[in-house]
Amino acid sequence: EAGVTQSPTHLIKTRGQQATLRCSPISGHTSVYWYQQALGLGLQFLLWYDEGEERNRGNFPPRFSGRQFPNYSSELNVNALELEDSALYLCASRKVDTDTQYFGPGTRLTVL
Amino acid sequence: DAKTTQPTSMDCAEGRAANLPCNHSTISGNEYVYWYRQIHSQGPQYIIHGLKNNETNEMASLIITEDRKSSTLILPHATLRDTAVYYCISSYRGSTLGRLYFGRGTQLTVWP
Repeated sequence: EAGVTQSPTHLIKTRGQQATLRCSPISGHTSVYWYQQALGLGLQFLLWYDEGEERNRGNFPPRFSGRQFPNYSSELNVNALELEDSALYLCASRKVDTDTQYFGPGTRLTVL
Repeated sequence: DAKTTQPTSMDCAEGRAANLPCNHSTISGNEYVYWYRQIHSQGPQYIIHGLKNNETNEMASLIITEDRKSSTLILPHATLRDTAVYYCISSYRGSTLGRLYFGRGTQLTVWP
């Protein structure tokens, strides 16, 4: 079974630009979660999408947004990029019967 | 979700069992204990989870004390590739919050 995939692997942007990160969940998983991991810090919960709806969001400003498509893939958008947005962005999808989240390899976003 | 406490770091010789402790003294009756690990700059990898009973899979064993206030993840024959940060997480199944709370985890270093 294919795992969670994320694209791109690396993304370099300048301050003020917008970034779009993409995630494809494991087949059959309907929930997608986004986390941010800044260098040397722990994983911080960003967003949770299930069945196309945003179910919960973490303590991040509104310029962090996303959506989930009918095929359950998801997109994370970060507007007006700031230097401190540089981080590894991780996507996870959930296996319903065990309520277990499986993570993708991440997208490394660098803001210059 | 209950707070978990783990040692900051541990060492283990290759081929020996690695026993990683986790304290979750405030865990409630229907909170599960999940273990993940994260190898440097990669997405977290699910290892195992349990509620009351001890669990074993191809990667590890999870021993939960009878009072459920602590647990131990056992890697029976550690290899160099097991060097990673190990996270112990407590979470309700079907939580409306969705997110997993990742603390600082335990840095396990396996040496030759």
